[in-house]
Amino acid sequence: KNEVEQSPQNLTAQEGEFITINCSYSVGISALHWLQQHPGGGIVSLFMLSSGKKKHGRLIATINIQEKHSSLHITASHPRDSAVYICAVKNYGGSQGNLIFGKGTKLSVKP
Amino acid sequence: DAGVIQSPRHEVTEMGQEVTLRCKPISGHDYLFWYRQTMMRGLELLIYFNNNVPIDDSGMPEDRFSAKMPNASFSTLKIQPSEPRDSAVYFCASRTRDFPYGYTFGSGTRLTVV
Repeated sequence: KNEVEQSPQNLTAQEGEFITINCSYSVGISALHWLQQHPGGGIVSLFMLSSGKKKHGRLIATINIQEKHSSLHITASHPRDSAVYICAVKNYGGSQGNLIFGKGTKLSVKP
Repeated sequence: DAGVIQSPRHEVTEMGQEVTLRCKPISGHDYLFWYRQTMMRGLELLIYFNNNVPIDDSGMPEDRFSAKMPNASFSTLKIQPSEPRDSAVYFCASRTRDFPYGYTFGSGTRLTVV
């Protein structure tokens, strides 16, 4: 079983829909990252969370440390939000360098 | 700041050839990471450096892979000899000790070994 699990693997939505991507992890963490990767593009860090909730524009990220679960929400989705969204955790007490990555959720927003 | 700069963006090479990937981290960042991304395995850490010193290379697949960081502004990942199974996107990322959870990724190098 992977230490970081994302769901769904693939998601297709219509423009304007509210989107939720989930991330569950099985290790103790010091931080959780949400990353965005556009087709053929680099990786952009969207959020870094250790507790609570963060909001940036139409993106909202939440984390529940007790339940070892995080969600990424996109409000009023737009075709330009189409990308792969990757959840990654920094293992508490683990190697300083090692982020543990989920396999990603591929989002496609149709106009 | 121009961010983390990787070169080349794309590399196509024949099996058996030597491949060198390059990375320039953000100035002042004292940690540098090399990751590999494949469809099957997703993103994996290969090696990371702290103050130019390799700290953890347990993710390096085998002796064909080597990485160096001769100074704070430059790192290389070398594959010799290359094999088709090395085809992947290789990302470099950096961060600073003063902001330990904020990683900045480069745009990646897409390597194809034929």
